[in-house]
Amino acid sequence: SQTIHQWPATLVQPVGSPLSLECTVEGTSNPNLYWYRQAAGRGLQLLFYSVGIGQISSEVPQNLSASRPQDRQFILSSKKLLLSDSGFYLCARNTGRDEKLFFGSGTQLSVL
Amino acid sequence: AQSVTQLGSHVSVSEGALVLLRCNYSSSVPPYLFWYVQYPNQGLQLLLKYTTGATLVKGINGFEAEFKKSETSFHLTKPSAHMSDAAEYFCAVGGGGFKTIFGAGTRLFVKA
Repeated sequence: SQTIHQWPATLVQPVGSPLSLECTVEGTSNPNLYWYRQAAGRGLQLLFYSVGIGQISSEVPQNLSASRPQDRQFILSSKKLLLSDSGFYLCARNTGRDEKLFFGSGTQLSVL
Repeated sequence: AQSVTQLGSHVSVSEGALVLLRCNYSSSVPPYLFWYVQYPNQGLQLLLKYTTGATLVKGINGFEAEFKKSETSFHLTKPSAHMSDAAEYFCAVGGGGFKTIFGAGTRLFVKA
């Protein structure tokens, strides 16, 4: 099966604290990997995507960063969280431009 | 560049009534078009997609969408709404690279 694991499901962090969200995929090799953020009433915003190990494209300049240390691992990080970083973070993958995205179950991040 | 506009952030229908969710896109290349559904606190699931070929696309749960190039539209319809259809629906466009761009979403309410 082609599965995406995201954790944790829920996270509450104080402003200024670091962040690390991990996403791992199973059942496919060399996937394209994506981080999206969903804020209330604002749809899905593409944050980062990766087409291979060590290859990261950033879509929105901000205090978040992403890394892909292994083929099936995609990590979203921040050194210091802001209130505006609150939202629902979704990891996704596909294997081609015309292929559908498979989504993980998401992480609800609340920065207080 | 690609973009998606979903008309109406909220749509309310009665059970058994027609569902129509509107989506217009902008793309400088032949687009790949998708509709996804999201249930509360979950990731997104693909309803249907259009890449090439037949412009009327049938998806899961009785939904279908028609690609109209002249109108740059990809509206989602279902002849008869069911209570279980209540969710948020996202239109998305791809084909301009590795990115998939999502609309802001339309929340569908179904009244008994």
